[in-house]
Amino acid sequence: AQTVTQSQPEMSVQEAETVTLSCTYDTSENNYYLFWYKQPPSRQMILVIRQEAYKQQNATENRFSVNFQKAAKSFSLKISDSQLGDTAMYFCAFDQETSGSRLTFGEGTQLTVNP
Amino acid sequence: EPEVTQTPSHQVTQMGQEVILRCVPISNHLYFYWYRQILGQKVEFLVSFYNNEISEKSEIFDDQFSVERPDGSNFTLKIRSTKLEDSAMYFCASKGIAYGYTFGSGTRLTVV
Repeated sequence: AQTVTQSQPEMSVQEAETVTLSCTYDTSENNYYLFWYKQPPSRQMILVIRQEAYKQQNATENRFSVNFQKAAKSFSLKISDSQLGDTAMYFCAFDQETSGSRLTFGEGTQLTVNP
Repeated sequence: EPEVTQTPSHQVTQMGQEVILRCVPISNHLYFYWYRQILGQKVEFLVSFYNNEISEKSEIFDDQFSVERPDGSNFTLKIRSTKLEDSAMYFCASKGIAYGYTFGSGTRLTVV
């Protein structure tokens, strides 16, 4: 069974600065997907970024980028130029690359961006 | 952009009552899911559904829970006799052939 671990329950950053959220996972699969989801106070689940394990290039989406280290089973999220609207709970998630497979989530990191 | 719609957004129910949470997945998606998030905790998988049957369920999904897709459009989660510990946010999600999960905005269930 896959496990996802986020070792930072809470983090804070000053507006406009950069912050990195950590995630590690455990799997015996070779092909899979990794995700970061953002959950603001409304509790909606918003996809931030996705990484396919077979791709060596790290995914980027505007101010959000990942550092994917497949051998180390590490998948960190970097947020550049942090904004107040980035304040949210962030979940790392894993999915096997099979048709009906489901997501396994980490415990979450509460990020607070301070003005 | 297509959406997954969940109703109601908030449901309050008495302990022991039955509740039905409703979801309308994206029309051309084939895989449907329910996840649960107790306040302050991580998101947990409950059940996946494909081709009109359950394809996988977690240990949380006991005999009190059931799912169905009665009319090819709605996807429902029924809790037969609610307990206080069923209070949580329930998320529906769907996934198509081309990869991509879409989550609904959730139903907050409060059992009193």
